This record gives sequence, C-alpha cells and structure tokens, in this order.
Amino acid sequence: AQTVTQSQPEMSVQEAETVTLSCTYDTSENNYYLFWYKQPPSRQMILVIRQEAYKQQNATENRFSVNFQKAAKSFSLKISDSQLGDTAMYFCAFMKSFPLDPNFGNEKLTFGTGTRLTIIP
Amino acid sequence: EAGVAQSPRYKIIEKRQSVAFWCNPISGHATLYWYQQILGQGPKLLIQFQNNGVVDDSQLPKDRFSAERLKGVDSTLKIQPAKLEDSAVYLCASSLGGSSYNSPLHFGNGTRLTVT
Repeated sequence: AQTVTQSQPEMSVQEAETVTLSCTYDTSENNYYLFWYKQPPSRQMILVIRQEAYKQQNATENRFSVNFQKAAKSFSLKISDSQLGDTAMYFCAFMKSFPLDPNFGNEKLTFGTGTRLTIIP
Repeated sequence: EAGVAQSPRYKIIEKRQSVAFWCNPISGHATLYWYQQILGQGPKLLIQFQNNGVVDDSQLPKDRFSAERLKGVDSTLKIQPAKLEDSAVYLCASSLGGSSYNSPLHFGNGTRLTVT
C-alpha cells in the first residue's frame, strides 16, 4: 500500500514571498503520478500541478513548481510570488500509473494529511 | 463545462439516524469516487465506480454505508445508522477514466455531515 506524508501541518508566509511545502511518499511501484491539490474554504479540491514519475524534468505551472526527487521519494511544492488567494489547505497525492484493467478506469488517489498555508498581507 | 454537483451542502443529524448524499458527475465521466474527509485529515477513498460497476470498496464500512450508481451517471451514498465518528466532509469526484494522467479527478464542493 502507498502512504503519503506531509510533515508540516501549518505554514505562513508574507505576500509576494516564496514558500515550499514538503511531501514524502512510500511505494514499491515504479510507475506512478504525483499531484498537489489545493482546498480553499469552499472545500472543492482543485488540481494545482502533477508530475509523472518517469519524467525527470520537474513540472511547472506558472507560479507553482515542484522538486521531484524519485530516489528520495520526495515531492515538494514551491509557490513563488505568493498571493492572498493562495491561502488554503494543500494536499499531496499519489496515484499508481496504470489501472489493472482499462475497463476499471483510473486508479485511486491516496492523499497526505495536508498543510494549511496562510498568506499574510 | 458544468462541474461535479453535490447535495446537500450541509447536513446535521443525530446518531443512529440515516442520511443520504447525492452526486452528479461531469457529463461523460465514467469513473466516480466518494471520499470521506475527517477534520484535520486528507480525503480517504470510500468507493470507486467505473460506469455502474464497483471497482474498489475496500474501505467502505459496509455494515452501515452503501452506495449505488444507477445507469452509470448519478450516485448516492447512504449511511444507516450514523455514528458520531461519521462526522466529516463527503467529497464526490469524477474522471473520464483511462490513463490517469490524461483524465484528472474533478471534485465537487462536498457535503459536510455533523452527527450529534
């Protein structure tokens, strides 16, 4: 079974600064995907960024980037030029790469416990 | 496109009562998930459907929880009887299916259940 660990329950940073959220995971799989989701007070989980394990290049999406270290099983999220709207819970998540049967659709997401990020004006 | 719709938004019940949640996924999405998110924790998968068949219900407490997805579209999740520890947010998500990278999960706004 896969496990995802987020060791920072809460973080805060001044607006416009850079912040890094940590995530480690444990798996025996070689092919998988990693995700960061954002959950604002509205409760809707919003996909921030995703990384395929076989890709060495770190994913980037505008102000969001990841540092993926496969050997260390580490997947951190860096938010640059942080904005007030970035205030939310952030969850790291793991998904096995290929379903056992294409008829079964996606594999499930396994989530960490989350990091509450507060951007201070 | 319209997102994943869930209702109700909030529900308060007493222990031992029953409750039902409804989810309407994005049109054309074959895979539907129900997650339970207890306060301070990450979401935990309860059940996954592919069309109207169950793919994974290994973490569903089957003595009190049930779920169905009639005609492979809408889904309902029921708890009967409810316990205090069932207080949580229940999230529904859907995806096209197939390659997990190419079909990300889309989540609804969830139902916050409080059991007193």
